[in-house]
Amino acid sequence: AQSVAQPEDQVNVAEGNPLTVKCTYSVSGNPYLFWYVQYPNRGLQFLLKYITGDNLVKGSYGFEAEFNKSQTSFHLKKPSALVSDSALYFCAVRPARQGGKLIFGQGTELSVKP
Amino acid sequence: EPEVTQTPSHQVTQMGQEVILRCVPISNHLYFYWYRQILGQKVEFLVSFYNNEISEKSEIFDDQFSVERPDGSNFTLKIRSTKLEDSAMYFCASIRGRTPEEKLFFGSGTQLSVL
Repeated sequence: AQSVAQPEDQVNVAEGNPLTVKCTYSVSGNPYLFWYVQYPNRGLQFLLKYITGDNLVKGSYGFEAEFNKSQTSFHLKKPSALVSDSALYFCAVRPARQGGKLIFGQGTELSVKP
Repeated sequence: EPEVTQTPSHQVTQMGQEVILRCVPISNHLYFYWYRQILGQKVEFLVSFYNNEISEKSEIFDDQFSVERPDGSNFTLKIRSTKLEDSAMYFCASIRGRTPEEKLFFGSGTQLSVL
């Protein structure tokens, strides 16, 4: 079965420190991997994606993610967290050739304190 | 950036009533989706819609659910007889095509509360 796991319900970081939000996946074939962010009372906003190529992908708001095929992981990172980064982060996988159908992780609440 | 628009933002209904959730996808998009998120749980795929028909649906999407694109701009999700467990945030999404580079755009959601 295809699935995505985000092992941490919550991540707490001090402003200015690096942050990592973890994601692992299980999918047959080559995965298309995504990170979305959800701010309060807003929809899911696209952050970045991995389709193919360089394992380190850069996205919006200074975020990046590293694809690791051997560990089936796609962790989200940022070198220096901002208070405004506080939000709910979702990792998602799109099985090959399934258009916009995404399989989401359960989400990780990121809290950045001043 | 273009937006997917959903109305209403909040909907409260009595158990057993019918509800219709409305979405206006991005105008040049061809594939449309509904997802839902029960409080504290994952975002779950419900249904995908293309060329005026359902292309895929999950086991959640039983015969109490239906979707329609009545006028070429709106995309609706109808729940015929709501149950308490239908209480959730419902997200509409659209995408232009099926190539890997395409990005799925989500609306801001409709919070459905069934009492």
